[in-house]
Amino acid sequence: SQTIHQWPATLVQPVGSPLSLECTVEGTSNPNLYWYRQAAGRGLQLLFYSVGIGQISSEVPQNLSASRPQDRQFILSSKKLLLSDSGFYLCAWTGTSGDPYEQYFGPGTRLTVT
Amino acid sequence: GEDVEQSLFLSVREGDSSVINCTYTDSSSTYLYWYKQEPGAGLQLLTYIFSNMDMKQDQRLTVLLNKKDKHLSLRIADTQTGDSAIYFCAEVVSRDDKIIFGKGTRLHILP
Repeated sequence: SQTIHQWPATLVQPVGSPLSLECTVEGTSNPNLYWYRQAAGRGLQLLFYSVGIGQISSEVPQNLSASRPQDRQFILSSKKLLLSDSGFYLCAWTGTSGDPYEQYFGPGTRLTVT
Repeated sequence: GEDVEQSLFLSVREGDSSVINCTYTDSSSTYLYWYKQEPGAGLQLLTYIFSNMDMKQDQRLTVLLNKKDKHLSLRIADTQTGDSAIYFCAEVVSRDDKIIFGKGTRLHILP
């Protein structure tokens, strides 16, 4: 069966520090991968999505970046965090065949920038 | 661009029916979804409807789709305290494999 992992589960970082959040998927190949951010009291914002290794589409211009070094690994990074980067970060994947684009979400990373 | 709109809050008495509404803009959407998010957790797919359907029923859940008005609704019959969560409407933008989510409706259950 497929599973999706995210780490760390929680993170407290000072303003200006770097960030690296990792997401890995098991039990499937060539998934579409997504990063979302959910700010407090707000909805789900699509940040990046990837349809293959090295292929990243950015939805919102900001100080975050994403990379996909391997088929089932998706990394969210920042060189210098801002206070506004605080939020709940969710990774998700969809298969490219079979299920009707059902998205499977990871458990999320709670990021607090201080 | 693509957009999905939902009301932000809904309060319902335990045992009553909850109806959560959503409007979307992409007329070429093939699938529309309802996701549930419990506190501090990721999203879980509740149900989905294909664009050539008008209605789908799954136990206590009923999804209604009005393609002409681009309106989707989720009805939860006999609402229970465990239904307290944020419910997200989402549509597939089929041309580029994106899924666009609404901001979510927080369902509050009154005793």
